[in-house]
Amino acid sequence: GENVEQHPSTLSVQEGDSAVIKCTYSDSASNYFPWYKQELGKRPQLIIDIRSNVGEKKDQRIAVTLNKTAKHFSLHITETQPEDSAVYFCAASRAAYTDKLIFGTGTRLQVFP
Amino acid sequence: DADVTQTPRNRITKTGKRIMLECSQTKGHDRMYWYRQDPGLGLQLIYYSFDVKDINKGEISDGYSVSRQAQAKFSLSLESAIPNQTALYFCATSQGEISGELFFGEGSRLTVL
Repeated sequence: GENVEQHPSTLSVQEGDSAVIKCTYSDSASNYFPWYKQELGKRPQLIIDIRSNVGEKKDQRIAVTLNKTAKHFSLHITETQPEDSAVYFCAASRAAYTDKLIFGTGTRLQVFP
Repeated sequence: DADVTQTPRNRITKTGKRIMLECSQTKGHDRMYWYRQDPGLGLQLIYYSFDVKDINKGEISDGYSVSRQAQAKFSLSLESAIPNQTALYFCATSQGEISGELFFGEGSRLTVL
């Protein structure tokens, strides 16, 4: 089955700096890669996703890149703000519409003012 | 607002007791999931259901069972709880054919003594 590894487990940055979180997956048939953000004490929420026919996707200060050959994908957050502090989870599945989602182990991001 | 509701939100029980966690949703989604969250292990899929007559095991189904009583209700049971089932449990829904986004409930924190 699919296995998703996520690094680093914790990340501390200064406000305004960039943050990068990386994930690798094992199933070459995976083609849907979402990222979820979980603020302290809250439920996870989708922040961005990418499908295998796209190499990069941006939404304001966040972007996701995908390298299907190497089977890894990354989340990039630019101009970090204290409200970006949260746990971020990557995930992978074979299809957005028909398959189950397997999550990485999470990255705790702390943004210091 | 359409939402995903979990009950109970917190539960403390003893080893060997039977526990049921309930999930109901007003989003009108066909697909429902149960995930378990442990520190450092991310979100692990326990069971999922794509419609009322469909039940599938996830990554860690041993020691758990589920029931899909209706499109809007999906319950998780621990027949004989053990301490290593102490965790935060999330129910989630998705629209399936329209979008892969998971909508999570607020979580049920279970402690098994």
